[in-house]
Amino acid sequence: EAQVTQNPRYLITVTGKKLTVTCSQNMNHEYMSWYRQDPGLGLRQIYYSMNVEVTDKGDVPEGYKVSRKEKRNFPLILESPSPNQTSLYFCASSPRQGFWSPLHFGNGTRLTVT
Amino acid sequence: DQQVKQNSPSLSVQEGRISILNCDYTNSMFDYFLWYKKYPAEGPTFLISISSIKDKNEDGRFTVFLNKSAKHLSLHIVPSQPGDSAVYFCAASGAGSSNTGKLIFGQGTTLQVKP
Repeated sequence: EAQVTQNPRYLITVTGKKLTVTCSQNMNHEYMSWYRQDPGLGLRQIYYSMNVEVTDKGDVPEGYKVSRKEKRNFPLILESPSPNQTSLYFCASSPRQGFWSPLHFGNGTRLTVT
Repeated sequence: DQQVKQNSPSLSVQEGRISILNCDYTNSMFDYFLWYKKYPAEGPTFLISISSIKDKNEDGRFTVFLNKSAKHLSLHIVPSQPGDSAVYFCAASGAGSSNTGKLIFGQGTTLQVKP
């Protein structure tokens, strides 16, 4: 089944403890992206990747890191999480960026930082 | 600075009637618009899209209208069904972002279709 898989689905952590949210897609998509969803703010893009070893900042990249060493994986790294990073995170992929390639989203990771 | 705005946080309609969800944008360089639907505990799924060279795109019960002069788009669902109850996000691409990888989302509108 074609899908985007995020892990974990739920995560509770404390301020400053490094964490990684994994994202994997099995569709051989070139483009991958991370979003966070917050009440009243909708979905905001954190980072995206046009292909392997190519990443760029979205609208809210502060406090996050990503890497794209392989086509299928695009982990989101929080080196020192803070409470304002408590949010619902979505990973997404598409064959390539452009209007002909709607995004396929994972089911989300709900992160709580205390 | 919210470039894509959905000013109605929620909408409630009766089953069988029309649902109209609205979206406004500020950047005239956006050239492609999409609607996504999101159920609880799931990721958003693509619903319908429209290019700026068109003013209407239809797919079954779903039609998206684009008014470029007003920088406004709307999603019509006819007839509405209880299974349409979800959060709907509009999104816009362009202004070079179709090349740079950015897709700007609105805040979302929660649609409730009552049986």
